Amino acid sequence: QVQLVQSGAEVKKPGASVKVSCKASGYTFTNYYMHWVRQAPGQGLEWMGIINPSGGSTSYAQKFQGRVTMTRDTSTSTIYMELSSLRSEDTAVYYCARVRDRSAYTPFDYWGQGTLVSVSS
Amino acid sequence: DIQMTQSPSSLSASVGDRVTIACRASQSISRYLNWYQQKPGKAPKLLIYAASSLQSGVPSRFSGSGSGTDFTLTISSLQPEDFATYYCQQSSSTPITFGQGTRLEIK
Repeated sequence: QVQLVQSGAEVKKPGASVKVSCKASGYTFTNYYMHWVRQAPGQGLEWMGIINPSGGSTSYAQKFQGRVTMTRDTSTSTIYMELSSLRSEDTAVYYCARVRDRSAYTPFDYWGQGTLVSVSS
Repeated sequence: DIQMTQSPSSLSASVGDRVTIACRASQSISRYLNWYQQKPGKAPKLLIYAASSLQSGVPSRFSGSGSGTDFTLTISSLQPEDFATYYCQQSSSTPITFGQGTRLEIK
């Protein structure tokens, strides 16, 4: 069965960076695009960007351009999201999500369990 | 960016009620509209994709309709496990955007 397992909660100081991982299993990793979505406490869902696990190409939301880097490791079927220059407003649960079909922008049918990133001095 | 606006933002209903949630896009998105359910502390769950297609394993009491800019999610007979927050999402163009959510509460 498809599973996306994310790394554990992180506490960071303003200005630091955080790197969240998402390990995929139960399907062919390189066949499905993956997205990152975040959710601030009590707020809605915010799309951050997409990575193609096959070639590693990425596309980021304008809001995060210059601060976010998405990478993948095909040997471990894992994707990563690194966010730099953290500020308090980046406190959120970060989710990875897999697309339903083999094209980039189809719905997200599997999600990781979420990783809470807390930014506080 | 395409703005997605849901209404209402919150809704109180009883078990057995028929409930409809609306989602409006700021420009036409054809049928690139998906609905998710989220319960507290959990990841969102895909319910409906391409405006009206039921995701595998989702009960048939959930249905979606619409095209262009106006869409609806209907739950035909509310069950206790349906009390949650619902989000629409457009996947027509980047950045992908979500509605602000509709919180469905027990009356």
